[in-house]
Amino acid sequence: GAVVSQHPSWVICKSGTSVKIECRSLDFQATTMFWYRQFPKQSLMLMATSNEGSKATYEQGVEKDKFLINHASLTLSTLTVTSAHPEDSSFYICSALNRVYGYTFGSGTRLTVV
Amino acid sequence: DQQVKQNSPSLSVQEGRISILNCDYTNSMFDYFLWYKKYPAEGPTFLISISSIKDKNEDGRFTVFLNKSAKHLSLHIVPSQPGDSAVYFCAGRIGGSQGNLIFGKGTKLSVKP
Repeated sequence: GAVVSQHPSWVICKSGTSVKIECRSLDFQATTMFWYRQFPKQSLMLMATSNEGSKATYEQGVEKDKFLINHASLTLSTLTVTSAHPEDSSFYICSALNRVYGYTFGSGTRLTVV
Repeated sequence: DQQVKQNSPSLSVQEGRISILNCDYTNSMFDYFLWYKKYPAEGPTFLISISSIKDKNEDGRFTVFLNKSAKHLSLHIVPSQPGDSAVYFCAGRIGGSQGNLIFGKGTKLSVKP
């Protein structure tokens, strides 16, 4: 079946530093990748949609300069949280879309900014 | 404005009984609905989906019903097993086959032995 690898699974960083989260489809090519953010007891909120080789489309209220998305290939997308602050602490999840497998989610990254 | 609503944050069911998880939506543009199961600190796992032109889809112990006029769908799990204990998310797809998913807040299901 389809597998999406997301790394790291958890990260603690100091306020003001940047953190990169990687999302990789292991055995299929993803036409589109999605990045979500989940607060405790809340739904997964879509942050942005990215297609390989083009700029990401950000949802309203999501700062594109803060959450940098790079979709370098059909199997890899990265989310970089720049100049992280404690309010950026959250659970970030990626999803890769493929016509055969549908939406496959990564295991998520718990980001804690101290 | 929540487009997908799961009004019950939690549900407790006895093993062997039926679990019914409910979901309401407001956006008529959803063309597919999907149910996901999620454990803490993990990504969602796909369970079952239904096209907006159908009213029922069944897969083993899981059945999803769609009432389009009421903008309501439900996931039935029967018989419920302790391993079904998890958070269940309902999602609507918008934008066609390349579109994105809009999620509800989830319902935590506890199946007691």
